[in-house]
Amino acid sequence: IQMTQSPSTLYASVGDRVTITCRASQPISSWLAWYQQKPGKAPNLLIYKASTLQSGVPSRFSGSGSGTEFTLTISSLQPDDFATYFCHQYDNLWTFGQGTKVEIK
Amino acid sequence: QLHLQESGPGLVKPSETLSLTCTVSGGSISGSSYYWGWIRQPPGKGLEWIGSIQYNGDTHYNPSLKSRVTMSVATSKNQFSLKLTSVTAADTAIFYCARLGYCIRDVCYHGDYWGQGALVTVSS
Repeated sequence: IQMTQSPSTLYASVGDRVTITCRASQPISSWLAWYQQKPGKAPNLLIYKASTLQSGVPSRFSGSGSGTEFTLTISSLQPDDFATYFCHQYDNLWTFGQGTKVEIK
Repeated sequence: QLHLQESGPGLVKPSETLSLTCTVSGGSISGSSYYWGWIRQPPGKGLEWIGSIQYNGDTHYNPSLKSRVTMSVATSKNQFSLKLTSVTAADTAIFYCARLGYCIRDVCYHGDYWGQGALVTVSS
């Protein structure tokens, strides 16, 4: 299963609402996770089962979608949120999107 | 709280075999149906799943790497390992071990824990 994220890079300001899209090459039900990665660190789980927030993750993060179309939304971008985000399907083996880097506008 | 730690040589010569081990602490590899996987990330690039293994030895490999990859598990040591043969400079990457999800009868359970990553450089 191929996972395609868009955009590859997103320029935004603190306080902006940010949306990242992930598309699967075939239906994966809701078996999708979102990870945040900062430079020099391992990816950190934000959301699983498409929309369930991992414990300890701020509520400004939310996920939606099912089947082949998924979105990650940050309702009000904070300084700590400038990072790279990956989607990850675990329905059929395991694959990752190519990543979306959120940079300061 | 699980902790995963990668170990192995940081430098491998072209055409040789890359070998890494992941040691799991804070829980047992045998304690559940989770898969234990290897993921790599070339410098400045995205994540690529390499392969996964379950405590009983059931393995799955990325088709693009399958001919060069072997994974094994040592439940008595709470470790699992990766061997990647015939490496080239294109295999230079940060290698992460992680607990990955699994599916049973149309229900899937997500993975969660990752190691800190180990940089492996392929160079003569």
